[in-house]
Amino acid sequence: NAGVTQTPKFQVLKTGQSMTLQCAQDMNHEYMSWYRQDPGMGLRLIHYSVGAGITDQGEVPNGYNVSRSTTEDFPLRLLSAAPSQTSVYFCASSTLGTGNTGELFFGEGSRLTVL
Amino acid sequence: GQSLEQPSEVTAVEGAIVQINCTYQTSGFYGLSWYQQHDGGAPTFLSYNALDGLEETGRFSSFLSRSDSYGYLLLQELQMKDSASYFCAVRDGGSGYALNFGKGTSLLVTP
Repeated sequence: NAGVTQTPKFQVLKTGQSMTLQCAQDMNHEYMSWYRQDPGMGLRLIHYSVGAGITDQGEVPNGYNVSRSTTEDFPLRLLSAAPSQTSVYFCASSTLGTGNTGELFFGEGSRLTVL
Repeated sequence: GQSLEQPSEVTAVEGAIVQINCTYQTSGFYGLSWYQQHDGGAPTFLSYNALDGLEETGRFSSFLSRSDSYGYLLLQELQMKDSASYFCAVRDGGSGYALNFGKGTSLLVTP
């Protein structure tokens, strides 16, 4: 059972470089989201999507783009990386609808360092 | 806006009981969730309360009081493996979809 798969697990970038963090889920979940986690800051929502073609901003969207062309995939793009984007990134998905418990299924995380 | 407040650190002895509190402010309420995260790992879902009262799952219980915008996670018979960070979370009151987390409580269980 794959669940939520994130790649890469580790990445080092130079300031100004661009990259895409990949996220795929095989549970047919409508909802997908990206969080960043920094020491003492908890999990902060970057962007989320409630279905293919629908995305919305979370608490900290600046510097990040997303798209949702399929139910399965939700990539996160950094267009011009900055040292402030050094963080651990988590992708998470869940079902929506009646009886939803708020249970998010998380990927293993992607550790990004921007020099 | 929306906010969640929980203590940053809690220390307890193995075998004891510990309570982690969470207060929240949100324009619309869709339930309170709790997650556990061990160092270096991903958060995992523990419990969910949509209605007032206590929900029990093994050694873990979660309580909600909607009138007080307050909940807690109760961990009984603490084990060393319970040392982790614990997060409360609520869905965004506007969209009803986005899940927002508190900053987390670091629990240290000592022998």
